[in-house]
Amino acid sequence: AQSVTQLDSQVPVFEEAPVELRCNYSSSVSVYLFWYVQYPNQGLQLLLKYLSGSTLVESINGFEAEFNKSQTSFHLRKPSVHISDTAEYFCAVTPGASSSASKIIFGSGTRLSIRP
Amino acid sequence: DAGITQSPRHKVTETGTPVTLRCHQTENHRYMYWYRQDPGHGLRLIHYSYGVKDTDKGEVSDGYSVSRSKTEDFLLTLESATSSQTSVYFCAISGGTPNTGELFFGEGSRLTVL
Repeated sequence: AQSVTQLDSQVPVFEEAPVELRCNYSSSVSVYLFWYVQYPNQGLQLLLKYLSGSTLVESINGFEAEFNKSQTSFHLRKPSVHISDTAEYFCAVTPGASSSASKIIFGSGTRLSIRP
Repeated sequence: DAGITQSPRHKVTETGTPVTLRCHQTENHRYMYWYRQDPGHGLRLIHYSYGVKDTDKGEVSDGYSVSRSKTEDFLLTLESATSSQTSVYFCAISGGTPNTGELFFGEGSRLTVL
């Protein structure tokens, strides 16, 4: 069985400071990994994903995540955050061979709050 | 943005009444899902569909039923709502080409059961 652990439920940081949101997973098969972002009163939207290939993946708004197979982690980082990054972030894992997303497992979420 | 519409967006109802939430997509994606979101639990899958009239249970399916009579519509029904079903419900779709398991979400339906 798969599981996802987001180690921090809330992360407060100052604007322009770096941030890391931690995600660890467990799985007996190869996986696809995702980070989704949820802005207030909205649905989730994909931030970035790891399917295969380069272990470092980037988003268009400056976030990056690195797949670390030995540590079973997929931490999300940004070198300098902005007020607009205030949101809840969800890590998710799914078996790489599955054609549907029915087996995707979400972490419990990390609420990122940015202080001016 | 993926064309996913949920209705109603907000609903307050009383314990024991039936409730139906609707999800409508314009993307012609094969898979549709209903999730509920509760603080501290992330998203949990209620039911999903892999085609017209083809549905299956997720991890929290008790007290819920679904129907999919057309590719574009996926209905979630609470036959007799309970206070434990107060939650925010999200519809999602997947199955584009290539299919990487990425989910596209609707805006959510906030249900309060008094």
